[in-house]
Amino acid sequence: NAGVMQNPRHLVRRRGQEARLRCSPMKGHSHVYWYRQLPEEGLKFMVYLQKENIIDESGMPKERFSAEFPKEGPSILRIQQVVRGDSAAYFCASSAQRTDTGELFFGEGSRLTVL
Amino acid sequence: TQLLEQSPQFLSIQEGENLTVYCNSSSVFSSLQWYRQEPGEGPVLLVTVVTGGEVKKLKRLTFQFGDARKDSSLHITAAQPGDTGLYLCAGAGPYAGNMLTFGGGTRLMVKP
Repeated sequence: NAGVMQNPRHLVRRRGQEARLRCSPMKGHSHVYWYRQLPEEGLKFMVYLQKENIIDESGMPKERFSAEFPKEGPSILRIQQVVRGDSAAYFCASSAQRTDTGELFFGEGSRLTVL
Repeated sequence: TQLLEQSPQFLSIQEGENLTVYCNSSSVFSSLQWYRQEPGEGPVLLVTVVTGGEVKKLKRLTFQFGDARKDSSLHITAAQPGDTGLYLCAGAGPYAGNMLTFGGGTRLMVKP
């Protein structure tokens, strides 16, 4: 399966711990997007990355959240000192190029629960 | 900030009925997409509409993009229990590239 791969699928953290979510884009895709989904809601854009570059992080909270997409390896969304409000499903999507038709392919998500 | 409003939020119907889901905005989008999401999974792309007034059909699903490219609708004919899920519309552009703006979703339940 050459789809977007996310891990872990489920992650439980206590308040104050760190959460690291990983995303491997589809083969041949160099653009990665992170979205957050709260229960019963739509997806909210967080950050858009291309290899080694952050293109747009306008949806990312200013504190505790960071993202990277290194030259080698998966993209990582890092949440430091997690709080209960961070509990959500985090989805990664990828595309081959930046186009106005905006077709994205999503992974199955990482569900973070903060106790 | 571009906003997309979906209606209705929840819809529960009997098998065989028809339904329409609406996606509205005051912003113009270069394209609009419809996704379907099952519980515990990621959104799966159903269709992309690009041209104002465009109509696309996917079996029993009909998608329409408004003439002004600000709104869209999804019509399902003779709904089946397998259609149950969360339907999401998402708009791209005109300047945002691939940063999609998602609607809040319509949760559809089709009872046998």
